Amino acid sequence: ETGVTQSPTHLIKTRGQQVTLRCSSQSGHNTVSWYQQALGQGPQFIFQYYREEENGRGNFPPRFSGLQFPNYSSELNVNALELDDSALYLCASSLSLGTDTQYFGPGTRLTVL
Amino acid sequence: AQRVTQPEKLLSVFKGAPVELKCNYSYSGSPELFWYVQYSRQRLQLLLRHISRESIKGFTADLNKGETSFHLKKPFAQEEDSAMYYCALSGRYGGSQGNLIFGKGTKLSVKP
Repeated sequence: ETGVTQSPTHLIKTRGQQVTLRCSSQSGHNTVSWYQQALGQGPQFIFQYYREEENGRGNFPPRFSGLQFPNYSSELNVNALELDDSALYLCASSLSLGTDTQYFGPGTRLTVL
Repeated sequence: AQRVTQPEKLLSVFKGAPVELKCNYSYSGSPELFWYVQYSRQRLQLLLRHISRESIKGFTADLNKGETSFHLKKPFAQEEDSAMYYCALSGRYGGSQGNLIFGKGTKLSVKP
């Protein structure tokens, strides 16, 4: 059974640029959630995808968008990057909706200069 | 408002001493609560959830609805327990349930 994987591991961008982060969910999982973890903070929920549809969104602006593909992998896109977007971005997959256990990936460290 | 508070950023104990990591929450309704742990250079992983009422690696946590707390306890700390611990609540966003609201975390350091 393959765990949650994320790519790339690290990324450096400049203000105003756009970025795409990728996540492969654990085998058999159809639900993916994305979290932002700033330094010294706990992860903050960005949004969740279930069977290719967005199913809940946290307090993040529309320039944070996502996609889920038929194989349940997912992308997080961030447009018009700001310095405060520098953080660790975590992807978590779960077997289905609801309160199933979420399994986290290793994260992508984004630095915005 | 849905919120999780972990009042201690750092907790340092000696090996063999009891450990209690505090977690308080704010949530209207019946919450589901979790403890996640992150060991050095590893990914975030579930330690335990209140509905399971399990003891994992000697840790237990009891949901106290009156005090809105879900403190994590272990009677005898081991050096391998040193890690970052996050308390989390299953919240509601736009009508969906299941996404996690995390506290800021407590770093547990167990000294030999």
